[in-house]
Amino acid sequence: EVQLVESGGGLVQPGGSLRLSCAASGFTFSSYWMNWIRQAPGKGLEWVAKIKGDGSEKYYVDSVRGRFTISRDNAKNSLYLQMNSLRAEDAAVYYCVKWREACFDYWGQGTLVTVSA
Amino acid sequence: QTVVTQKPSFSVSPGGTLTLTCGLSSGSVSTTNYPSWYQQTPGQAPRTLIYTTNTRSSGVPDRFSGSILGNEAALTITGAQADDESDYYCLLYVGYGNWVFGGGTKLTVL
Repeated sequence: EVQLVESGGGLVQPGGSLRLSCAASGFTFSSYWMNWIRQAPGKGLEWVAKIKGDGSEKYYVDSVRGRFTISRDNAKNSLYLQMNSLRAEDAAVYYCVKWREACFDYWGQGTLVTVSA
Repeated sequence: QTVVTQKPSFSVSPGGTLTLTCGLSSGSVSTTNYPSWYQQTPGQAPRTLIYTTNTRSSGVPDRFSGSILGNEAALTITGAQADDESDYYCLLYVGYGNWVFGGGTKLTVL
C-alpha cells in the first residue's frame, strides 16, 4: 500500500524558514517524480515543485523559485521542501504527491504551514 | 498564461446524474490535454478519480466516468449520493511541460 506521510509544518514568522519532509513507502520511490502541491485556506490546489526520480531535474512554480528547494533522499525514501523567506501568501496545507503517467496518483494527508507574526 | 476553467458550484438531487466540466481559457480540451479529476471532501486530502480522460483510478466506483464533451473535459457522476458532496478539481496538460489545475467545483447534493 502506498503511503505518503508529511511532517515539518508549523507556525513561522514572515521571512523565516521551514523544512517539510515526506516519508514514502509502498512503492519504488526512486522510480517516480514527486511533487509538492499546496492549498491555501479556502482556496484551490496549486502545484509548487517537482523532482525527478533520480533528483536530476527540478521545477518550481514562479512564485517560489529562488526561495524554495525541493530535494529527495532515495536511500531514505524521503522527499523534502526547504522553504526560505516565507511570506504570508505561502501559508497553506502542503501535500506530498506521487506522479505517474499524466496524473497525481497518491497524495499524503498534508502538513499545515502558517506564516504569521 | 493558460487558465483552466471550472464552474465554481453545482447542485444535484440525490440519485441524479450530473456532469462537471473543465475547459481552457484559450482553445479546446482534447485527449492530448490528458484530463484528470480529483475529489476532495472537507478536511481531507484530494483523491484521484479519473486520469487520461476516462481511466478510473483503483477503487473508484463506476458511477464516476470521464470523457470529452464538445470542447471540454467532463466528469459524469450517475446516481449522486450524499457522500459525493465534495470539491472536484480537474488537471490539464497545457503544453511545454506545464500542468494546471482548474479552480474547482463545489458539488452540493440536496
